[in-house]
Amino acid sequence: KAGVTQTPRYLIKTRGQQVTLSCSPISGHRSVSWYQQTPGQGLQFLFEYFSETQRNKGNFPGRFSGRQFSNSRSEMNVSTLELGDSALYLCASSLRGPDNEQFFGPGTRLTVL
Amino acid sequence: GESVGLHLPTLSVQEGDNSIINCAYSNSASDYFIWYKQESGKGPQFIIDIRSNMDKRQGQRVTVLLNKTVKHLSLQIAATQPGDSAVYFCAETLGFQKLVFGTGTRLLVSP
Repeated sequence: KAGVTQTPRYLIKTRGQQVTLSCSPISGHRSVSWYQQTPGQGLQFLFEYFSETQRNKGNFPGRFSGRQFSNSRSEMNVSTLELGDSALYLCASSLRGPDNEQFFGPGTRLTVL
Repeated sequence: GESVGLHLPTLSVQEGDNSIINCAYSNSASDYFIWYKQESGKGPQFIIDIRSNMDKRQGQRVTVLLNKTVKHLSLQIAATQPGDSAVYFCAETLGFQKLVFGTGTRLLVSP
């Protein structure tokens, strides 16, 4: 079956702009989690959605937001971009949530200039 | 490919050796633990998991050991191959809460 897909794969923005990233989970998976990966901070949890509801949220500012649609596809949005937002943004899907196997997408590499 | 960490601890082994990667987790109440492998340019890939009611679990060429007394997790890879070269992360979670990842260990396998 098809894996988790993320679009776009690469993105370049400038400070102050906003960006929307998209994630399509594996068919049948209802949980989608987002992570930020940087060399300095490693992999950090952003938020998790299950059946269109945000169940958990990490310690990120309100500029980071997300949503999940009825078909389980998810988007995350970052407003007023800062240089420090440059990172690999990873999406993971699972049947129930973080307490069972999560399947990761290839990520979106965001560069903020 | 993307760099997943510029200053990760590194374990260098020879092909055919057994590898042991260690991880100290943070929450004594965590009840689910996972090991992930991340190759350059790719997202993390599930290797093996273990729940807190177990102390050992085996997969194909991999074994995970859990020591709850000292909050320690280890991943053993038997007969390490060049294709095992990657960054390995441990992760922990409690119930439906967020997955917390360790800092990662880079495994380099030389032929």
